[in-house]
This record gives sequence, structure tokens and C-alpha cells, in this order.
Amino acid sequence: DVKVTQSSRYLVKRTGEKVFLECVQDMDHENMFWYRQDPGLGLRLIYFSYDVKMKEKGDIPEGYSVSREKKERFSLILESASTNQTSMYLCASSFVRSTFNEQFFGPGTRLTVL
Amino acid sequence: DQQVKQNSPSLSVQEGRISILNCDYTNSMFDYFLWYKKYPAEGPTFLISISSIKDKNEDGRFTVFLNKSAKHLSLHIVPSQPGDSAVYFCAASERGADGLTFGKGTHLIIQP
Repeated sequence: DVKVTQSSRYLVKRTGEKVFLECVQDMDHENMFWYRQDPGLGLRLIYFSYDVKMKEKGDIPEGYSVSREKKERFSLILESASTNQTSMYLCASSFVRSTFNEQFFGPGTRLTVL
Repeated sequence: DQQVKQNSPSLSVQEGRISILNCDYTNSMFDYFLWYKKYPAEGPTFLISISSIKDKNEDGRFTVFLNKSAKHLSLHIVPSQPGDSAVYFCAASERGADGLTFGKGTHLIIQP
């Protein structure tokens, strides 16, 4: 079974703090993704990576950066957290040769910025 | 511009009846379509998929129908059960692409 784990289920941070969200997958997937989910807005792609040290901006990259130093690990960084970044953050991974591009998701991190 | 649209934010269905969730898309390059199910405080889980060369795919209580000419797909759940209460996301991808484009989701509520 594919397993995608995220470092925290719940996180509370203060405005201006630097926040690190970590994601690890154990299926040797090439692709990894970070989304945020907000009510009424669905899943919005922040960044994705198709290889180590490679990254591509998604639909809403402003205020975020990412790091992929190892194939199994993809980190999302909020350089200076703001209240509008309060959200559910979801990490996903996929196999590059998957026909349907099926993505496997982690359990999510509920981030609250005060 | 939204390429995958789920126009019903919520849907309420009685237990035992059929649930029909709809999804429309605008990008004619989409070749693969997937449905994900999401419970609160959990990540989405893959439910069922369909290729553009098919018009129907069935897996137990779940059936997905694809109408390419109308750029429309639907997920049928028969019979609906309380555990089906969740948010359902429609997603699509192009052949050769690495990502999925998601709809905004439909919250399905199964009433006893």
C-alpha cells in the first residue's frame, strides 16, 4: 500500500513565523504535490515537483516555497505566515508512468495562523 | 478559468436510494477522469476512474459515466449508504501530463 505521511495533523502558528510542512512517501514516486483545501474552493495546487531539486509553480504559489532534496520527501515552506494561509494542506504523490495520473494523498495538516 | 466544474456544492440523498454526482469539463484534451472521496480531517482517497475511450466503468456500488460530446461525467452510487457521506472531487488529466485538475467538490449527505 502506498503511504504518504505528513509531519503534523494540526499546527498553530503566529503571524510572521516561518512554517515548515513535511511530506514523505514510501512508494518511490517521482511526482509530489502540495495543495491547500478551503471550503467552496476545492483543491488548489500550490507547487509540484517531478524530480529531486525540481519544482514547478502551481496555481497559487505566492507566499510559499518548496524544497525537494530527497526523492521521498517534499517540504512546503511558508516564509512568513499570514492569517489568510490558515487552511488544510494536503500532500500527494504519483508515479510518473501512471496512466491515470492517480495521486495518493496524505492525511493533511490543518494549519491555523493567529 | 475553471476547467473542471462541479456545480452542486452539496447533495442530500436518502439511504438506500441512488446518489448522482455530476461533473463538467471544458478542456477537450482531458483523457482520464477520476473521482476522489474525502472525509473531514483526512486526505482524499481514490474511488474510481475512466478513460476517454470508454463511456462507463463500474466498481461495485460505484459507476462512472462519461459523455464526451457533452463533456460531462457522473458518478452513480447505488444503493447509498451512511458511510458514503463525504466530499467527492472530480479530477481530470491529459495524456502525458503529470498533474490532475480538480473540481471544487460536492458534499454528499446520506440521510437515514
